[in-house]
Amino acid sequence: SAVISQKPSRDICQRGTSLTIQCQVDSQVTMMFWYRQQPGQSLTLIATANQGSEATYESGFVIDKFPISRPNLTFSTLTVSNMSPEDSSIYLCSGGTAKGEQYFGPGTRLTVT
Amino acid sequence: GIQVEQSPPDLILQEGANSTLRCNFSDSVNNLQWFHQNPWGQLINLFYIPSGTKQNGRLSATTVATERYSLLYISSSQTTDSGVYFCAVGKAGSARQLTFGSGTQLTVLP
Repeated sequence: SAVISQKPSRDICQRGTSLTIQCQVDSQVTMMFWYRQQPGQSLTLIATANQGSEATYESGFVIDKFPISRPNLTFSTLTVSNMSPEDSSIYLCSGGTAKGEQYFGPGTRLTVT
Repeated sequence: GIQVEQSPPDLILQEGANSTLRCNFSDSVNNLQWFHQNPWGQLINLFYIPSGTKQNGRLSATTVATERYSLLYISSSQTTDSGVYFCAVGKAGSARQLTFGSGTQLTVLP
């Protein structure tokens, strides 16, 4: 199995500020993804992080709100910009292996006040 | 996009009971995974099972891809089995993205 680490594990932020979440994966991973899990809900894919190029965003998510970087094969960041209370969620990073199986990091619990 | 439906949405069991969770999906898939989200939010991989049957201890899973469903069996349930069980599928040609079902909330009572 792949090992995925993520930080911070949780944060409480003021409205209007930004938070950057970091994700580190091991060498088995070829693809990286970012998901959001709103309270009591399932997971929704935000974007696929592409190495050295712009991420591929899903419908309803835009780069200005959720800028993503992936400077190398094993590291990615997600920034939640200009936060509002509606952004309070768990943000999860995942890594996909060549076989297609995905493994998830422990998540970042974000509360916006 | 592909639709993923899980049933039942909630399940309460006594310790030692058996259960079956179901996942239906609306299109052909080349990836299907079952996850357990524990009370701390961590998603734990249970099975990677785009087709066929697998077993791991008290858990087993079967996917019938031609009929577009998968089943997760939990036998002799324990309180530590409590949490949310998610089915997630990947559509052929979708760059390996996963679409998640809404989950089954399982509570195992002592």
